[in-house]
Amino acid sequence: GAVVSQHPSWVICKSGTSVKIECRSLDFQATTMFWYRQFPKQSLMLMATSNEGSKATYEQGVEKDKFLINHASLTLSTLTVTSAHPEDSSFYICSAGRRQQGNTIYFGEGSWLTVV
Amino acid sequence: GQQVMQIPQYQHVQEGEDFTTYCNSSTTLSNIQWYKQRPGGHPVFLIQLVKSGEVKKQKRLTFQFGEAKKNSSLHITATQTTDVGTYFCAAPLGDNNDMRFGAGTRLTVKP
Repeated sequence: GAVVSQHPSWVICKSGTSVKIECRSLDFQATTMFWYRQFPKQSLMLMATSNEGSKATYEQGVEKDKFLINHASLTLSTLTVTSAHPEDSSFYICSAGRRQQGNTIYFGEGSWLTVV
Repeated sequence: GQQVMQIPQYQHVQEGEDFTTYCNSSTTLSNIQWYKQRPGGHPVFLIQLVKSGEVKKQKRLTFQFGEAKKNSSLHITATQTTDVGTYFCAAPLGDNNDMRFGAGTRLTVKP
């Protein structure tokens, strides 16, 4: 099946610094990737939709300047958490859709971000 | 925004008992998908339902899509400890048909 790879799996950063998370579709081209955030024991909340070659579409309440999304190619999308604060600590996970399979989406392994 | 409502939030069962989680939407869905997330892991795709009234089975798991395509259920027969995890439904909603997730049902199984 399709594989979506996410890196890094774990990251600890100091408050005020920026962290970049990569999401790659390994065996298919993903014109659209999705970024979710999941707090412990909660559901996945869509943050933004990443479109290749254009600006990301952000959900209401998600700060565009804080969560920078770049979809540089059909296989790579990046999420940069800028000026991270402890409240940004969360599980971030990306997914990509494969239209040939009825738009089933495949998830990356997720990235645990801890801001200290 | 548009949401998929999922209940119950938690379910604790004795091994061997059955388990069901339900999802409802106020709008007609083009399809609904089910995912399982083990503790500490990422969501894993289980199945997609597309047709009205569709029923699909995967061993002890039975998935149903309502006739009106507004609700769906996942039923597990004779639960096992390996069934532990959170089960999410997800459906394309919103302006971009983004996949939106239900709140999830967290299943724990007592051996």
